[in-house]
Amino acid sequence: GAGVSQTPSNKVTEKGKYVELRCDPISGHTALYWYRQSLGQGPEFLIYFQGTGAADDSGLPNDRFFAVRPEGSVSTLKIQRTERGDSAVYLCASSASYNEQFFGPGTRLTVL
Amino acid sequence: AQRVTQPEKLLSVFKGAPVELKCNYSYSGSPELFWYVQYSRQRLQLLLRHISRESIKGFTADLNKGETSFHLKKPFAQEEDSAMYYCALHGGSNYKLTFGKGTLLTVNP
Repeated sequence: GAGVSQTPSNKVTEKGKYVELRCDPISGHTALYWYRQSLGQGPEFLIYFQGTGAADDSGLPNDRFFAVRPEGSVSTLKIQRTERGDSAVYLCASSASYNEQFFGPGTRLTVL
Repeated sequence: AQRVTQPEKLLSVFKGAPVELKCNYSYSGSPELFWYVQYSRQRLQLLLRHISRESIKGFTADLNKGETSFHLKKPFAQEEDSAMYYCALHGGSNYKLTFGKGTLLTVNP
């Protein structure tokens, strides 16, 4: 079946702009995670959803970052007033069993 | 706080040689440990997890709680094993993963 998909695959924006990154999880997966991977680093946790609610947003770096999952399926990660330091690959993962997380291909965000 | 350390950024071996990718962790409770792999131009995928105690693609990993390690091993490396390998941990109730920085394995012919 279809895996986790993320759009866009690449996003280039200018400093100060607003961006939205979308994640479509595997159908039926109730858990959804966002991670950020900077160059030379492993993925770092941002936020976790169980259904529609954000169960843990402790990894969001500051209040410029926000994520929603209004119907318990698709999720959108929103970044306001982007900074050059936000440049990274943003990964989404979903899980049904709380054991294996299935990752999407990522969105590469570049802030000029 | 939970932390995963992969001391080697790069590891290069010849085909048929044994390979060991090191992983050490820090966690106060009972963690679950995983190895994820990312082949060139592919997405991150689960290779194996310690609770399964299985061998995947010839790889094994044993959790050593005394040494807080979860090293990944394969007795005879193959060229197709060349990839980025990440050790990861989760603990607590929300199953968020903490990753190491990764080791790039290159298997030379």
